[in-house]
Amino acid sequence: NAGVTQTPKFQVLKTGQSMTLQCAQDMNHEYMSWYRQDPGMGLRLIHYSVGAGITDQGEVPNGYNVSRSTTEDFPLRLLSAAPSQTSVYFCASSSLQSNQPQHFGDGTRLSIL
Amino acid sequence: GNSVTQMEGPVTLSEEAFLTINCTYTATGYPSLFWYVQYPGEGLQLLLKATKADDKGSNKGFEATYRKETTSFHLEKGSVQVSDSAVYFCALSLYNQGGKLIFGQGTELSVKP
Repeated sequence: NAGVTQTPKFQVLKTGQSMTLQCAQDMNHEYMSWYRQDPGMGLRLIHYSVGAGITDQGEVPNGYNVSRSTTEDFPLRLLSAAPSQTSVYFCASSSLQSNQPQHFGDGTRLSIL
Repeated sequence: GNSVTQMEGPVTLSEEAFLTINCTYTATGYPSLFWYVQYPGEGLQLLLKATKADDKGSNKGFEATYRKETTSFHLEKGSVQVSDSAVYFCALSLYNQGGKLIFGQGTELSVKP
């Protein structure tokens, strides 16, 4: 049971560098999302997708891009990293039924120097 | 708008004490309600859920009852253990926004032996 797999687990970047955080799920879930978790601020939604080819912005989308070419994968791209993007990033997936829970990955701890 | 408010932490208890973490919500329509738990260094896991008024969710000795009249979903446990030390998140989802979760800020619980 792989569930939701995020890679890498840790990453250090320099300001201005780009990178892609990977997220894959093997549960055939339509809904996938990215959150960032910062101390004292809970989880904030960055982007989400309700199916392949469909993405939308969440609460804090600036500085991040996403795409959903397959049901399984939902990568998050930082085009030009900034120190304010230092955070822990979580990917989650679920069915589209509102009474079903989301399944979370173990997170990516990202530091921008 | 739709929102979730949790009691602020951190909450520190002695082993075998009674736990209550308050959660209230504001939502249009009839949300499904969830409690997630995050152990140190891990992603979020579903703890329990309730999908309609007066439902009681329960798991691992934790309980929460969906109270429509008070728009609340308080988490309780009769006797906490050191292993319950974690961050607890209350969340809601709406029937017409399948998959999308709105989180509270999280409450950190520390249980001392």
